[in-house]
Amino acid sequence: EAQVTQNPRYLITVTGKKLTVTCSQNMNHEYMSWYRQDPGLGLRQIYYSMNVEVTDKGDVPEGYKVSRKEKRNFPLILESPSPNQTSLYFCASALGGYEQFFGPGTRLTVL
Amino acid sequence: RKEVEQDPGPFNVPEGATVAFNCTYSNSASQSFFWYRQDCRKEPKLLMSVYSSGNEDGRFTAQLNRASQYISLLIRDSKLSDSATYLCVVPTLDNTDKLIFGTGTRLQVFP
Repeated sequence: EAQVTQNPRYLITVTGKKLTVTCSQNMNHEYMSWYRQDPGLGLRQIYYSMNVEVTDKGDVPEGYKVSRKEKRNFPLILESPSPNQTSLYFCASALGGYEQFFGPGTRLTVL
Repeated sequence: RKEVEQDPGPFNVPEGATVAFNCTYSNSASQSFFWYRQDCRKEPKLLMSVYSSGNEDGRFTAQLNRASQYISLLIRDSKLSDSATYLCVVPTLDNTDKLIFGTGTRLQVFP
């Protein structure tokens, strides 16, 4: 089944404790992206990657890192999480063009 | 002016009703538009694409008004299962496959 998977789905952590949210897609898509979704603000892009080893900042990259060592994986790293990074995070992939396939989301709470 | 603006709603309509939402966009050069559907706490999924004057798929019709820079989504014969948030999406024009998401319009269909 074609899909985008994210792990973990739910995470509660404390300020400053490094964490990684994994994202994997099995559709051989070149484009991958991370978004955060907050009430009243909609989906905002954090980072995106047009292909392996190519990553770029989105609209809200501060406090996040990403890597793209393989086409299928695009992990999101929070080196020192803070409470303002409490949010719902979505990973997405696309073949090119504009239909993006989203993962199920990761709900992160930083205390 | 925001790049993509939507009325947040909620729109509360009875089953069988016809409902329409509008979305305004700021970049007059935009050529393509999308409606995504997002169920509560789930990932967004592509509902319809709009490339020229409009598109129709069953009970759903999307129309584009370039002069006034808005797109609309019309849902006929509303079903309970149509209850969701509808996101208006406009690609940027910078060749990055980046999408700009509206904050969404919430629809609640009641029996």
